[in-house]
Amino acid sequence: AQSVTQPDIHITVSEGASLELRCNYSYGATPYLFWYVQSPGQGLQLLLKYFSGDTLVQGIKGFEAEFKRSQSSFNLRKPSVHWSDAAEYFCAGYGGATNKLIFGTGTLLAVQP
Amino acid sequence: DAMVIQNPRYQVTQFGKPVTLSCSQTLNHNVMYWYQQKSSQAPKLLFHYYDKDFNNEADTPDNFQSRRPNTSFCFLDIRSPGLGDAAMYLCATSRLAGGMRYNEQFFGPGTRLTVL
Repeated sequence: AQSVTQPDIHITVSEGASLELRCNYSYGATPYLFWYVQSPGQGLQLLLKYFSGDTLVQGIKGFEAEFKRSQSSFNLRKPSVHWSDAAEYFCAGYGGATNKLIFGTGTLLAVQP
Repeated sequence: DAMVIQNPRYQVTQFGKPVTLSCSQTLNHNVMYWYQQKSSQAPKLLFHYYDKDFNNEADTPDNFQSRRPNTSFCFLDIRSPGLGDAAMYLCATSRLAGGMRYNEQFFGPGTRLTVL
């Protein structure tokens, strides 16, 4: 079955430090992949998406992600984290027989001053 | 700005008392989704409308129903809410055209349901 895995449940980084959130997928064909961010009590906001083409995709708020087929990964990165980036981040994807968006379990990001 | 709107943002109901949550969109998207999200969990798809076609997830309880009277509006009805139905309910929309199977989903801010 198709799946999206986020290995890190909780990550803490210092403000100004770089960030990488991990995401792995299991789809046979090229998946459609997304990163969403959710602040407390809010809906999900799309940060970026990968459908095809350039494997390094740029998103909003200074985020980027790189699709690596050989590693079945789609990790989210930001060079310098701001306190306002503290939130929950969900990786999600489509692929295979189902047309349902499959979510990872989320990574909760805390930012230390 | 085009958007997905959910009302109310917070809803309190009593155990067993029917409740309706509302979603509207100005994106003119043809697909609308309802998700349930419990604390510290990923959203769980309840059902979706592809145009007027209703698609229920196999594990969605019968207690949950939905209506889509027109393109812009979609409602989630919980006929007899139990304590376990307390959650954030998220509405999302997507535009699927020309044989597309996938596209990004746009989410509303959610309705936080409390069951007393």
